[in-house]
Amino acid sequence: DAKTTQPTSMDCAEGRAANLPCNHSTISGNEYVYWYRQIHSQGPQYIIHGLKNNETNEMASLIITEDRKSSTLILPHATLRDTAVYYCIVRREDSSYKLIFGSGTRLLVRP
Amino acid sequence: NAGVTQTPKFRVLKTGQSMTLLCAQDMNHEYMYWYRQDPGMGLRLIHYSVGEGTTAKGEVPDGYNVSRLKKQNFLLGLESAAPSQTSVYFCASSSAWQGGGYTFGSGTRLTVV
Repeated sequence: DAKTTQPTSMDCAEGRAANLPCNHSTISGNEYVYWYRQIHSQGPQYIIHGLKNNETNEMASLIITEDRKSSTLILPHATLRDTAVYYCIVRREDSSYKLIFGSGTRLLVRP
Repeated sequence: NAGVTQTPKFRVLKTGQSMTLLCAQDMNHEYMYWYRQDPGMGLRLIHYSVGEGTTAKGEVPDGYNVSRLKKQNFLLGLESAAPSQTSVYFCASSSAWQGGGYTFGSGTRLTVV
């Protein structure tokens, strides 16, 4: 599975958009980009995933560059409850569907 | 609908003791996974299962054994606990038909003294 690079930490103001970048320059054609978050010490929560098209759901938007070497997770109106560690994961869709986590980005939403 | 349930939630073991962590899911998921998370770090995959009766090693399998005798349960065993196994253990399950998103349990906090 391709390796990802994320900033260690970021912050944003409550009510503003949070844009979390992820580099995955060695991604292969059959690998998807997944985003999860972990609030405090809870179990990680699935946010969104995509292959090459931009995706949007009720939680966030995922923007993947045309060459697929990087992506951005967008939380359109961040709240204090969005303070968490965000993990960008690249995963090959093989028979195991296993996820390999990196160290993620710690997002702090400021009041 | 309980999702993924882990028992116990907390446990303190003495070095050399054994124990089994239970993960149960009620979503009929084929895939199940055990992770550990050390303080300030990301999750690391210990073992996983792609179906009833199957298991496979992840990134950090040493010192652990697993079994998947029933589709809904995935057991993680520590035969002889060591202080290095002090960690929070998370179980997750997934179905190939849900877009690959995992459902995680709330974790088991294990301390080995």
